[in-house]
Amino acid sequence: KAGVTQTPRYLIKTRGQQVTLSCSPISGHRSVSWYQQTPGQGLQFLFEYFSETQRNKGNFPGRFSGRQFSNSRSEMNVSTLELGDSALYLCASSWSGGPPHEQYFGPGTRLTVT
Amino acid sequence: TQLLEQSPQFLSIQEGENLTVYCNSSSVFSSLQWYRQEPGEGPVLLVTVVTGGEVKKLKRLTFQFGDARKDSSLHITAAQTGDTGLYLCAGILPPSSGSARQLTFGSGTQLTVLP
Repeated sequence: KAGVTQTPRYLIKTRGQQVTLSCSPISGHRSVSWYQQTPGQGLQFLFEYFSETQRNKGNFPGRFSGRQFSNSRSEMNVSTLELGDSALYLCASSWSGGPPHEQYFGPGTRLTVT
Repeated sequence: TQLLEQSPQFLSIQEGENLTVYCNSSSVFSSLQWYRQEPGEGPVLLVTVVTGGEVKKLKRLTFQFGDARKDSSLHITAAQTGDTGLYLCAGILPPSSGSARQLTFGSGTQLTVLP
């Protein structure tokens, strides 16, 4: 079974721009969660999508948004980029019916904002 | 302030030594997970513990969930260079918290095992 894939793996953007990151979950998984990882704050939950609906949301500003498609693939968008948005963005998928929150992470997208 | 505090933050040991990593909180968790993350990769789930006092073993790794479900520990016996990585604990809060579907991660322990 193929794992979680994320594209692109690396991205460099300028302050004020917007960016869209993509995540393809493991086949059969219907839940996709997004996390931001930084050296200072660690891993922080952004949001979770299940069956194309946002089911849970972390404490991030409205510049961070996401969506999920009917094939469970998900995208997250960050508008008006700030220097502090530089981070590793991870997505994780789960079946959402098995053991509590058994999530499988992708390799992440490394975003650098200059 | 992190909801889950991990200690130590950094640990450098020689191959063959034993070590313990701690994950502590003042909050009660429904379950707790441990992950290992290597450079350039996402975290990989090692174990999930759900019952207070539960002990799980995975080869040389022993995981324990505190009786009160507020803390956990990871013990590695006879560490190997392949154990090097960032170890993360992550908890799931009870349904009454309103945050039962999100993982709350600890700050991480960077382990380096030297040959």
